[in-house]
Amino acid sequence: ETGVTQTPRHLVMGMTNKKSLKCEQHLGHNAMYWYKQSAKKPLELMFVYNFKEQTENNSVPSRFSPECPNSSHLFLHLHTLQPEDSALYLCASSQVQGTRRENTEAFFGQGTRLTVV
Amino acid sequence: GQNIDQPTEMTATEGAIVQINCTYQTSGFNGLFWYQQHAGEAPTFLSYNVLDGLEEKGRFSSFLSRSKGYSYLLLKELQMKDSASYLCAVSVNYKLSFGAGTTVTVRA
Repeated sequence: ETGVTQTPRHLVMGMTNKKSLKCEQHLGHNAMYWYKQSAKKPLELMFVYNFKEQTENNSVPSRFSPECPNSSHLFLHLHTLQPEDSALYLCASSQVQGTRRENTEAFFGQGTRLTVV
Repeated sequence: GQNIDQPTEMTATEGAIVQINCTYQTSGFNGLFWYQQHAGEAPTFLSYNVLDGLEEKGRFSSFLSRSKGYSYLLLKELQMKDSASYLCAVSVNYKLSFGAGTTVTVRA
């Protein structure tokens, strides 16, 4: 148990469906992240939220839409996905120390295994 | 972007030692992390280096040379449960950039 919970663990959806992934962290962290993990590829950073504000969008297609209503919850809304979007989606959180370039460990959830059919 | 390289796969015998190398070229550097990920599970933190040298933590040690853009993770007294993927990650502006991971298989 890492303190970061993701639901659902598995999701199969059609290309015309709309679904959402949920992430909740119980660690009191102020930064949350979405990563995509495809087979044999590095984890790809998708979105960064720092103090609920989106600070980074790594050229992610608009069919992925993140939402961060508070510092403990993060969502990833999915619509009109493509089969190549099938992957493990990981949420992570960390504590960013203000403006210092502080290195803090990222805690990961167990991920949502997404299959687009 | 960041360029982080590590071997794809390694195999070792139970009780042996394995060294996983990681080289990186990044625009900025705030530290290097190693994570362990078992199949179907979350990556979990193993070690962190920000200064040159060796950090030891039980059976696991991690080394960093910033001038060479090089790190390694050393796993000693290998156990079957150490079979997993090991991820090298470089921190730049509090964001982690990952290598593709090294799958270590421990054989009896």
